[in-house]
Amino acid sequence: KNQVEQSPQSLIILEGKNCTLQCNYTVSPFSNLRWYKQDTGRGPVSLTIMTFSENTKSNGRYTATLDADTKQSSLHITASQLSDSASYICVVSALGGSYIPTFGRGTSLIVHP
Amino acid sequence: NAGVMQNPRHLVRRRGQEARLRCSPMKGHSHVYWYRQLPEEGLKFMVYLQKENIIDESGMPKERFSAEFPKEGPSILRIQQVVRGDSAAYFCASSPERGPTYEQYFGPGTRLTVT
Repeated sequence: KNQVEQSPQSLIILEGKNCTLQCNYTVSPFSNLRWYKQDTGRGPVSLTIMTFSENTKSNGRYTATLDADTKQSSLHITASQLSDSASYICVVSALGGSYIPTFGRGTSLIVHP
Repeated sequence: NAGVMQNPRHLVRRRGQEARLRCSPMKGHSHVYWYRQLPEEGLKFMVYLQKENIIDESGMPKERFSAEFPKEGPSILRIQQVVRGDSAAYFCASSPERGPTYEQYFGPGTRLTVT
């Protein structure tokens, strides 16, 4: 069964600090992994997409890594801002079938001033 | 280019009533996905539609729930005889083509409250 597990479930940090969110998956055969940011009361917005051959991808202060061998991904946020407070969702897609992705439950990040 | 639009944004229904949720995909997108998100839970897939066709409804309850995506007009998720457990945020996403490399763009969601 395809599964995506995220940790921690929630995280509180001070503005300006860095943090790293984790994602472990068992989706197979693997196609790609996306990190989404979901602000409270809004729909998710894609931050990065990574395929099998990519190890690192950056989008501004967000850097995602992928280890396809261990089936792990991380999202590193540098110099956090208050606007980074949101839920971060790891989404993994498999090849074949109807291509419905598997969603993690998300990590809730709160950035305090 | 407008994004995915959903209406209403908030919907309150009494138990036993019907709820109709609408989703207009991004321009040029013919693939629509519906997801449900319970409080403190992740997004759960419900149904995947292409124009006039249901491709995958494996995540949708067999009773009371139905979805359509007509040739003209928005996609509709219909919940008949709502119960308190149907209270959730319902998100619609769209993509231009079928396949894992095509990003799904999400709407702002409809928050359904059943009283």
